[in-house]
Amino acid sequence: GENVEQHPSTLSVQEGDSAVIKCTYSDSASNYFPWYKQELGKGPQLIIDIRSNVGEKKDQRIAVTLNKTAKHFSLHITETQPEDSAVYFCAASKDGGFKTIFGAGTRLFVKA
Amino acid sequence: DSGVTQTPKHLITATGQRVTLRCSPRSGDLSVYWYQQSLDQGLQFLIQYYNGEERAKGNILERFSAQQFPDLHSELNLSSLELGDSALYFCASSVAGTGGDEQYFGPGTRLTVT
Repeated sequence: GENVEQHPSTLSVQEGDSAVIKCTYSDSASNYFPWYKQELGKGPQLIIDIRSNVGEKKDQRIAVTLNKTAKHFSLHITETQPEDSAVYFCAASKDGGFKTIFGAGTRLFVKA
Repeated sequence: DSGVTQTPKHLITATGQRVTLRCSPRSGDLSVYWYQQSLDQGLQFLIQYYNGEERAKGNILERFSAQQFPDLHSELNLSSLELGDSALYFCASSVAGTGGDEQYFGPGTRLTVT
């Protein structure tokens, strides 16, 4: 069935370093890939998304890249700050479909 | 603030009981999704409604049911509760309820079954 694999499950970086989280999806028809940030005690918050007609999208310190051939997409956070510490989820869905499939999440720790 | 509201924030109840969780979507959104998040787990999709009609079903137990009302708010009913049902329950909403639609999550309801 449809599946999204996310790696790593835990990531610890020093403040100012970059962090990269990778996801692989199984359904080649998927064409929408959102990323969510979940802080402790809160609901997931959409931080960036990318559609299949685009290879890369940037929003300040956050960027997402998509490789449709390899069926994987990545989240890049540059100049990390302690407030970036959270759990990040990738997800995949497709036009005409109804389910969004989420990855298992990556717990990011940014050490000051 | 996503604009999605959920009540109550916390709920403590005993095994065998029944509870109802409530969700109001963002203004203008027609679709509501329910997710379960157990401790340190990912988001498990339960069920989706669009404009009052069930649209998609995930790993929802038979003891659980949901509905979306004409005013578009939704309720998730959990019955015959077990210890393993303790989790965070999130509601999300979107405009069209189709793939490729941005979902906005509420703050969640933390359910503790004792």
